[in-house]
Amino acid sequence: GESVGLHLPTLSVQEGDNSIINCAYSNSASDYFIWYKQESGKGPQFIIDIRSNMDKRQGQRVTVLLNKTVKHLSLQIAATQPGDSAVYFCAENPGGYNKLIFGAGTRLAVHP
Amino acid sequence: DVKVTQSSRYLVKRTGEKVFLECVQDMDHENMFWYRQDPGLGLRLIYFSYDVKMKEKGDIPEGYSVSREKKERFSLILESASTNQTSMYLCASGREGNQPQHFGDGTRLSIL
Repeated sequence: GESVGLHLPTLSVQEGDNSIINCAYSNSASDYFIWYKQESGKGPQFIIDIRSNMDKRQGQRVTVLLNKTVKHLSLQIAATQPGDSAVYFCAENPGGYNKLIFGAGTRLAVHP
Repeated sequence: DVKVTQSSRYLVKRTGEKVFLECVQDMDHENMFWYRQDPGLGLRLIYFSYDVKMKEKGDIPEGYSVSREKKERFSLILESASTNQTSMYLCASGREGNQPQHFGDGTRLSIL
């Protein structure tokens, strides 16, 4: 809900601009990564995933980039819309039973 | 589309009560998870299950138990509710291997 966004870094963008949300992951053995979007009052929603044998994957208006050398993940949103306003989480799977480690999240605020 | 349904959106209980949170998924997923989400602490894994009647402790299992009698249903039990268990509780399910977890919309639980 609304309290999810408290204490989180915020990225403010103008409607129509491109957004880039960054994430540093912790485990060099992680081989699978996911981006989630969480709107107020809802659970996290799957956006896009990427496996460690890739460095880029594109979806509809979204692109995920993976840099294993520096353990960095980014989510690019093209032509950001008001409906993209939410908290975005990255998650990594270090292996075993699909247990995920979640990042703290970034709040994206889109202004008209 | 995957559907993960949590039985209650909002719940208010009293200290010392035994509380049951229910979660049902309709995609025949092997794995199911319970998280709590608190401002500034992100998503923390309480328990997970990788098969019927199987369960594993997550990062914060104290004060909780779980039950998975059927593949589609995963219950979280607060044995004796305390005020520090006031939180947003999220259930998720997913397939084995590198697959995304799919979340319900959460239960906001208040312990008075």
